[in-house]
Amino acid sequence: SQTIHQWPATLVQPVGSPLSLECTVEGTSNPNLYWYRQAAGRGLQLLFYSVGIGQISSEVPQNLSASRPQDRQFILSSKKLLLSDSGFYLCAWSPGFNYGYTFGSGTRLTVV
Amino acid sequence: QKEVEQDPGPLSVPEGAIVSLNCTYSNSAFQYFMWYRQYSRKGPELLMYTYSSGNKEDGRFTAQVDKSSKYISLFIRDSQPSDSATYLCAMSEGGSNYKLTFGKGTLLTVNP
Repeated sequence: SQTIHQWPATLVQPVGSPLSLECTVEGTSNPNLYWYRQAAGRGLQLLFYSVGIGQISSEVPQNLSASRPQDRQFILSSKKLLLSDSGFYLCAWSPGFNYGYTFGSGTRLTVV
Repeated sequence: QKEVEQDPGPLSVPEGAIVSLNCTYSNSAFQYFMWYRQYSRKGPELLMYTYSSGNKEDGRFTAQVDKSSKYISLFIRDSQPSDSATYLCAMSEGGSNYKLTFGKGTLLTVNP
């Protein structure tokens, strides 16, 4: 069966520090991968999606970036965090576009 | 008008009640409709997935889609305290349009 792993679960980082969140999927190949951010009262916001290694599409201009160095690995990064980057970050995968997504357990990021 | 609207609640019901959760949308191109359940501090979990109009039943859960009215519903029969969570509707156009558009979620509490 397929599983999705996301870590760390919680993170407290100072403003201006770098960020790296990692997500891996097991039990499938060539998945579509997604990064979402969920902020209180604002719902789920799609940040990036990827249909293959090295293929990244950005939804929202910001100081975040994403990379997919391996088929089942998706990384969310920032060089310098802002206070507004605080939120609940969720990785998700799907076998294609016409399917529901399976979400990871999320990373709660607090920028102080 | 927002693309997907969902009453944020909170909704509080006694155990055993029938719960009705609803979303309206404005994009007539949406064809795929989903409901997710999200427990506090966890990632969303796919509950129901339907294509086009009609009903789909899975145990105590029934999803309804009325494309003519641009209205979808999730019914929970014999609600249990374990159903207490935030419920998010989501929908997409499908095909090459990858984007899943989410409602902001309805917080449900089932009281024993």
